[in-house]
Amino acid sequence: AQSVTQLGSHVSVSEGALVLLRCNYSSSVPPYLFWYVQYPNQGLQLLLKYTSAATLVKGINGFEAEFKKSETSFHLTKPSAHMSDAAEYFCAVTEISNFGNEKLTFGTGTRLTIIP
Amino acid sequence: GAVVSQHPSRVICKSGTSVKIECRSLDFQATTMFWYRQFPKQSLMLMATSNEGSKATYEQGVEKDKFLINHASLTLSTLTVTSAHPEDSSFYICSARGLSRTEAFFGQGTRLTVV
Repeated sequence: AQSVTQLGSHVSVSEGALVLLRCNYSSSVPPYLFWYVQYPNQGLQLLLKYTSAATLVKGINGFEAEFKKSETSFHLTKPSAHMSDAAEYFCAVTEISNFGNEKLTFGTGTRLTIIP
Repeated sequence: GAVVSQHPSRVICKSGTSVKIECRSLDFQATTMFWYRQFPKQSLMLMATSNEGSKATYEQGVEKDKFLINHASLTLSTLTVTSAHPEDSSFYICSARGLSRTEAFFGQGTRLTVV
């Protein structure tokens, strides 16, 4: 089974500073990888996705992520944090379930706090 | 992006009653829908996957008789929590994916409180 590891359940950065949220995956085949953001009491919003095209993926709200096969990583970055970036972030990978369905496996999430 | 609408956003019900949660894809045909449960400050746990017109496939440990899932059309799936108990209180989230899509789109979630 595929798995996703997000290092750091909580990350705090100052407003204007670099945001780096880490994600490592385990996969025996080239995966599809995703980053989602969740605001309190809301569903998930797709930030960006990697689907075996360009390894540097640009998403919404100034976020980007780089797929590094050699490191099995898909870290999320943003050059300059904004107060509105405070939220929970989930990394996810697709896998095929026992029933042949394609499903998402989520990491445990990283709560990002922005310090004014 | 595509829009998935989930209703209701919040519901409080008495123990022993049943609650239905709806998930609609508003601008695309959702061939596959997923239902997740999320406990406070935790990740999403996949409960079941449903393909339109087929029976849902449930993840290990999820009671299919308690969490009834219907996906009768390409735009609507429902999750019914039957004979709800306080331990069923949680945040339930649906997501939907179209046939030609690589990503799934999520509803806003439903906060269920059983009293």
